[in-house]
Amino acid sequence: DIQMTQSPSSLSASVGDRVTITCRASQGINNYLAWYQQKPGRVPKLLISAASTLQSGVPSRFSGSGSGTDFTLTINSLQPEDIATYYCQKYDSAPLTFGQGTKVEVK
Amino acid sequence: EVQLLESGGGLVQPGGSLRLSCAASGFTFRNYAMSWVRQAPGKGLEWVSVITGSGGSTYYADSVKGRLTISRDNSKNTLYLQMNSLRAEDTAVYYCAKTEYSSSWYFPPFDYWGQGTLVTVSS
Repeated sequence: DIQMTQSPSSLSASVGDRVTITCRASQGINNYLAWYQQKPGRVPKLLISAASTLQSGVPSRFSGSGSGTDFTLTINSLQPEDIATYYCQKYDSAPLTFGQGTKVEVK
Repeated sequence: EVQLLESGGGLVQPGGSLRLSCAASGFTFRNYAMSWVRQAPGKGLEWVSVITGSGGSTYYADSVKGRLTISRDNSKNTLYLQMNSLRAEDTAVYYCAKTEYSSSWYFPPFDYWGQGTLVTVSS
């Protein structure tokens, strides 16, 4: 099975910083990669699909890139409301594996 | 408005069984693959299982294969997860999730999630 590895597992950044989270697949998955945001005590929310397609209503400071095995979620100008854990997920085929998550905190 | 409402969670002893339900509304249920995703306390998301819109195909994580069974009743707009031979490591909040669109080739990402139901496996 394809493994999904996120890095870092956690990070702390200041408001206004640019934040980058990486997700690596152990084998190529084309662009079948989604990013989710889970705020504390809340259910996950789909942010990005097809590696780079922003869901409706998601702030434009969020962006995704990559294809094949290496993917990136970028938050331009981090805001206090972006405090959350972010997960990548492959969906090219089952198993629909999630990465282990990246916890983002604001300094 | 899409709504997913899970039920059936609770405390169960190791080796026991439980059946979770997810009542769906606000969309044409039979047209969408549905999935179960779980989250152990303080841990990350773990995909558990997915079922096609017709119910004809199912897939499982290795960690639950042979013990958990996903099914659906399209006449009742309800998704199920039959959980047998439960272990302590199955303790988690179980979410049902709807795929974003219908596809014959892959399972799209999850655009709607229920609020989850807590399953606790303990003696």
